[in-house]
Amino acid sequence: RKEVEQDPGPFNVPEGATVAFNCTYSNSASQSFFWYRQDCRKEPKLLMSVYSSGNEDGRFTAQLNRASQYISLLIRDSKLSDSATYLCVVIYTGGFKTIFGAGTRLFVKA
Amino acid sequence: DAGVIQSPRHEVTEMGQEVTLRCKPISGHNSLFWYRQTMMRGLELLIYFNNNVPIDDSGMPEDRFSAKMPNASFSTLKIQPSEPRDSAVYFCASSPIQGNTGELFFGEGSRLTVL
Repeated sequence: RKEVEQDPGPFNVPEGATVAFNCTYSNSASQSFFWYRQDCRKEPKLLMSVYSSGNEDGRFTAQLNRASQYISLLIRDSKLSDSATYLCVVIYTGGFKTIFGAGTRLFVKA
Repeated sequence: DAGVIQSPRHEVTEMGQEVTLRCKPISGHNSLFWYRQTMMRGLELLIYFNNNVPIDDSGMPEDRFSAKMPNASFSTLKIQPSEPRDSAVYFCASSPIQGNTGELFFGEGSRLTVL
């Protein structure tokens, strides 16, 4: 079983739609959680951190459920520019080992 | 400010040849990571360093792979001998804070093709 698992998609949605991605992790000692975004043939870049209480950044909302060991990302009012691969990231206790999920591909169409 | 710098950006080589990938992290960053990305396996953590010391190399596929960080501003990932299945994009990333709060700054990657 992979340490971090994501639905690979692709998710095909129209502009303005709301879309949600989930990610599960296997190690309960996981400490910190993040979402990264990767555009085609580019490097990954940090999108947002995920806090236990949930957090928002504009149209993006991230949530963490430690009991069920999953995190989620909600994108509201999708834009064409949101088309990318979204990577779930888990850092283990101790702070160094940073594990990426395989990513979920999103296509937003006009 | 310069970001993480990787070289070469692209390399095409023949099976059996030695490949050396290079990385210059962002100045002042304590941690450095090497990842490999393929369509089939996604982003795999190969090895990471903290303050130039290798912390965990359990992701290194086999003895053909080796990584060094002789100083705070330079790291190499070497594959010897290379095989076609090593074809991938290799990313180097650095992080500014010991213990790593999660923001990794990635280089643009080195795209390796082994024929």
